[in-house]
Amino acid sequence: EVQLVESGGGLVQPGGSLRVSCAASGFTFTNYWMSWFRQAPGKGLEWVAHIKQDGSEKYYVDSVKGRFTVSRDNAKNSVSLQMNSLRAEDTAVYYCARAPEARPSDSWGQGTLVIVSS
Amino acid sequence: DLQMTQSPSSLSASVGDRVTITCRASQGISNYLGWYQQKPGKVPKLLIDAASTLQSGVPSRFSGSGSGTDFTLTITSLQPEDVATYYCLNYNTARTWTFGQGTKVEIK
Repeated sequence: EVQLVESGGGLVQPGGSLRVSCAASGFTFTNYWMSWFRQAPGKGLEWVAHIKQDGSEKYYVDSVKGRFTVSRDNAKNSVSLQMNSLRAEDTAVYYCARAPEARPSDSWGQGTLVIVSS
Repeated sequence: DLQMTQSPSSLSASVGDRVTITCRASQGISNYLGWYQQKPGKVPKLLIDAASTLQSGVPSRFSGSGSGTDFTLTITSLQPEDVATYYCLNYNTARTWTFGQGTKVEIK
């Protein structure tokens, strides 16, 4: 069974940093791109970032470029999102998901809530 | 930047009705279009990819069509369990993905 379990969410002040992580199991991790999505309270879905199977390619939505960094540890079957210079508008549930090559994400974790507030 | 325009933003229909949701891309995206269903308080679920490929286990009353810039998600006979918000997603080869704004489907 595919499992994706996010952790690391919480309350952080504007301008602060937070690292959210995702532990994957039940599938061959190195066969998949890994993605982060987010959903602000009462709002729609937004793609945030991707990382390729070997970590050689990373892509970000414009609003987080230069502030967020996605990484993966294939030995530990995990993917992380380092979030710096956080803003109130980054408040959201952050989901990790796997994506087969050239296909959309087909399995998502349950999400972790990040609140940016003073 | 590529934009995905989804319509309507919400709809209310009766059980058994045919429901159609459209998604328009601001530029051609071939068939790199997926549809997700998100029930209240739940994680998004992939229903369709490649514009028209139904995922395993998804009821056959769901179907997708389109290519290029115009896409459609159809529910042929709306059921109470289909109450959800539906999102289209462009997953193009440039590796930057864009969602539509979502369509909230309710039962009349």
